[in-house]
Amino acid sequence: GNSVTQMEGPVTLSEEAFLTINCTYTATGYPSLFWYVQYPGEGLQLLLKATKADDKGSNKGFEATYRKETTSFHLEKGSVQVSDSAVYFCALSDDITGTYKYIFGTGTRLKVLA
Amino acid sequence: GAGVSQTPSNKVTEKGKYVELRCDPISGHTALYWYRQSLGQGPEFLIYFQGTGAADDSGLPNDRFFAVRPEGSVSTLKIQRTERGDSAVYLCASSSRGTGYEQYFGPGTRLTVT
Repeated sequence: GNSVTQMEGPVTLSEEAFLTINCTYTATGYPSLFWYVQYPGEGLQLLLKATKADDKGSNKGFEATYRKETTSFHLEKGSVQVSDSAVYFCALSDDITGTYKYIFGTGTRLKVLA
Repeated sequence: GAGVSQTPSNKVTEKGKYVELRCDPISGHTALYWYRQSLGQGPEFLIYFQGTGAADDSGLPNDRFFAVRPEGSVSTLKIQRTERGDSAVYLCASSSRGTGYEQYFGPGTRLTVT
């Protein structure tokens, strides 16, 4: 079945460091891919998405490229800020069955130090 | 406009009791999803509604869990004979074809079974 694998956290970085959070997936067909962010005490918010191979999603300085050949959707940011501290979830949307239900990774906690 | 709302935000109940969790989706969204997020994990799919009908309930863990959406808007997740293992955050999300099936999440209901 479909699945998403994320690198385990926590990831601790200094402010202005480069961030990569790895995400790989297994899926039948051509799912849409998403990164959601959960700030402390808040709900899940969509960070970015990509709906087909080679698409690049971007938002708030974060980027991720849908790589079909490596089944990956790694999240990157060139210079992190303390305010980026949160839990990041990679997810895919099951488009085959027509439900579009999400399958999430386990989440990666990011802590950015001033 | 108003986002997805969930009530209550917190629910503490004793083992064996019955609970109901409510979700108000974004107006006009025909698709509604319930997910369960255990501590330190990503959300896991429970059930999907398209309109009034449960189109996919494959994620419900057992027959103690049931959900309804009688008028195609508000949904209620019902848990009978609660167990300590049911403790988690229950998330609701809604979407529509017009949003490319991107899901918008509510803040969740934190259920604690003592």
